Amino acid sequence: TQLLEQSPQFLSIQEGENLTVYCNSSSVFSSLQWYRQEPGEGPVLLVTVVTGGEVKKLKRLTFQFGDARKDSSLHITAAQPGDTGLYLCAGAWNTGNQFYFGTGTSLTVIP
Amino acid sequence: EAGVVQSPRYKIIEKKQPVAFWCNPISGHNTLYWYLQNLGQGPELLIRYENEEAVDDSQLPKDRFSAERLKGVDSTLKIQPAELGDSAVYLCASSSGQGSYEQYFGPGTRLTVT
Repeated sequence: TQLLEQSPQFLSIQEGENLTVYCNSSSVFSSLQWYRQEPGEGPVLLVTVVTGGEVKKLKRLTFQFGDARKDSSLHITAAQPGDTGLYLCAGAWNTGNQFYFGTGTSLTVIP
Repeated sequence: EAGVVQSPRYKIIEKKQPVAFWCNPISGHNTLYWYLQNLGQGPELLIRYENEEAVDDSQLPKDRFSAERLKGVDSTLKIQPAELGDSAVYLCASSSGQGSYEQYFGPGTRLTVT
């Protein structure tokens, strides 16, 4: 059972378009992570957010942690084919190092 | 620095047969995780080790799954007997566990049970 719901589940867009992926839960997180996974590989960490309302930018990717620390979003500007992959959020409910993963968003960027 | 190593990368077995997966974490990482991942979905935790101690195995189906990390370094996950529904990718990850939140994942073992 995964308590973190991501939307949309699938997303197919043209190169150059913008997109937003959402991660929602009814629980409050102590911290939240976003990972990207390519086919045949394990997930790779993109960012960790720990403060409600926090915004972090990584080149064309912008991550936001909700004020109540129950949700998060990932916005990609001017998507490129190299952004294609499975995007996963993962939340921790205490200060320990156990994160639980969301349902995933599969992104395809068409050249 | 070498990453997390897993073997085999692929395994095809018939149902009711046993299977084992091996993981060697990043050197010095005390925390080791085993996850199960179905296609297009997020990884689901099976077991977490702190050194050689299993600190969270609540999601491990103990009737058929077992794991060990005898010397607190590499780890083995076993399924006996395998069922059709066990077909999935089995991921291993490690972290330093010293205030670091980052998990480093191996490439996974893709298991197909026929």
